[in-house]
Order: sequence, then C-alpha cells, then structure tokens
Amino acid sequence: EVHLLESGGGLVQPGGSLRLSCSASNFNFRTYAMSWVRQAPGKGLEWVSSLTAGGESTYYADSVKGRFTISRDNSKNTLYLQMNSLRAEDTAIYYCGKVMSGPTYYFDYWGQGTLVTVSS
Amino acid sequence: EIVLTQSPATLSLSPGERATLSCRASQTIYNYLAWYQQKLGQAPRLLIYDTSNRATGIPARFSGSGAGTDFTLTISSLEPEDFAVYYCQQRRDWPITFGGGTKVEIK
Repeated sequence: EVHLLESGGGLVQPGGSLRLSCSASNFNFRTYAMSWVRQAPGKGLEWVSSLTAGGESTYYADSVKGRFTISRDNSKNTLYLQMNSLRAEDTAIYYCGKVMSGPTYYFDYWGQGTLVTVSS
Repeated sequence: EIVLTQSPATLSLSPGERATLSCRASQTIYNYLAWYQQKLGQAPRLLIYDTSNRATGIPARFSGSGAGTDFTLTISSLEPEDFAVYYCQQRRDWPITFGGGTKVEIK
C-alpha cells in the first residue's frame, strides 16, 4: 500500500520560514509527479504546487508563487516544500499527494497532513 | 483560472437515498474532472477521475457523468459511511482548482 508521511509543520511567526517533508514508500517514487495541497481550518481544498517526476518542471498557485519552493530527492523518496515569507493566510493543513500516472494531475494517494500555523 | 462551482452546498438525505451532486466549470474542461470524498479529520480520497472512471477500490454505487462544463457525481444508494464532504477538481489547465465542496449530511 502506498504510504505518504508529511512532517515539518508547526507554529511560525509571520514572515518566518518552514520546510515541509513528505516521505514516500511502497511505490516507485522517482517515476511519479507529486504535489502539495492545503486546507485552511474549516475551509476547502487548495492546490499549492506540483513537481514532475524528474523535478524538471514545477507549478505553483499564484498565492504562493515566489515564496514557496517545491523540490524532491528521489534518492531519499522525499518531497519537500520550502515556505518563506509566511503569512497568516498560509495557516492550513498541508497534504502531499501522489499524482496519478500520465501524469494526470489527479491525486490518487494522500498523506495524513501536517498543520502549519502562522501567528505571532 | 478555471472556477468550479459545486451545488448544493449541503445535501440532507437519509441512508438508502440517491445523492446527486453538481460541479460546474467556468469554461470547458472537456472530461478532465475528478471527485474526492473527505471525512472529518481525514485526508481526501479519490473517487472518480476523468469524469466517469472509478478509482481503485471505489464501490459501484459511486458514478460520475458529464462533459464540457457540467458534471455530476451520483451515489445510487447512500451508505452510512458516505456521509462526508465531496470536492470536484479540474486538471484541464493550471492552476489546478477545486470546487468549494458539497456536504452530504444525514437527514
């Protein structure tokens, strides 16, 4: 069974930085695109960023462009999200998602999420 | 940006009833639409992709239809475990977008 485990969330002050990690197992990580999706408390889902299997192409929501950086280490089966210049509106549960083969940019497996709280 | 509008916001039904959820796109997305189910405190689960294809392990009571700008998720007979929030998502163009969700609650 595919397993995704996010870590790195926590409380950070506005303007601060945080790096999320997503450890993947039980599938050939290096051959799949991956993504981050977030969910503010009590709100709906918001796509944040995606990265192709080899890491050559990245995509970002306008709300995070220039502040967040997605990356991956295929030797460690790990996806990252570097978040800088954090704002209160970035407060959310951050999920990593495996992209269906194609890539189709549907998310067929999700982690349990990691909570990021931006507050002074 | 392609906006997805889901309706209704809340659907109150009893177990055994049929649920019909709608998702409308602001421009054509062909058949590039997925549906997810999210239960309280859990991650979303992929139900349907490319409008009408059930994901692995999804029961046959879940079906999807539509094309262009109008899409429907149908749950033929609600089971107790189906009461949850449902989201649609398009992959036709960047940015990927989700609808606002429909909550299916017990009447």
